[in-house]
Amino acid sequence: AAGVIQSPRHLIKEKRETATLKCYPIPRHDTVYWYQQGPGQDPQFLISFYEKMQSDKGSIPDRFSAQQFSDYHSELNMSSLELGDSALYFCASSTRTGRNEQFFGPGTRLTVL
Amino acid sequence: ILNVEQSPQSLHVQEGDSTNFTCSFPSSNFYALHWYRWETAKSPEALFVMTLNGDEKKKGRISATLNTKEGYSYLYIKGSQPEDSATYLCALNTGTASKLTFGTGTRLQVTL
Repeated sequence: AAGVIQSPRHLIKEKRETATLKCYPIPRHDTVYWYQQGPGQDPQFLISFYEKMQSDKGSIPDRFSAQQFSDYHSELNMSSLELGDSALYFCASSTRTGRNEQFFGPGTRLTVL
Repeated sequence: ILNVEQSPQSLHVQEGDSTNFTCSFPSSNFYALHWYRWETAKSPEALFVMTLNGDEKKKGRISATLNTKEGYSYLYIKGSQPEDSATYLCALNTGTASKLTFGTGTRLQVTL
């Protein structure tokens, strides 16, 4: 069965650079969520989209923005990167019907040097 | 801010032991409680989604119960195996299509 795809899997950037993370949800899933997991921490919700509209916002810095496109894939844009942005970024997808089971991608590990 | 807590933080058992851990959450605005199994370098794997008070779910040697009135869920592993070693996360969902608020996880290590 198709799963959530994230790219790239690993990314190394320097301070003040920008990064773009991509997420391709499971086919027919209309909702995408982004989570950030710092070293030794539990995953923290950043932002979610339903039908290309932002549906919920968590602890996402102003330096970050995200959007969902017409094919339902989503991109997380991160600018003016800081050392503290180094983390594992997970994307999950779900449908609005049913129990809202969220299926996670493999994550993108971002390292900011 | 929702507070989802898990205990213990880590657990070390021997092969064949049965074990259980706890997830506590605020009982107001409850919609669903999710359990995930997360191995290092892999994505979290959904184990159970529970919505009703008194729900019991089972998947092989792993089972879970839910008490929404008092705000807790238990995850049980019967006859632990080394391949059960992982971090087990619970996550609270307060509405349809809403974000998950994760607990801090219980890291289980099963040795021979």
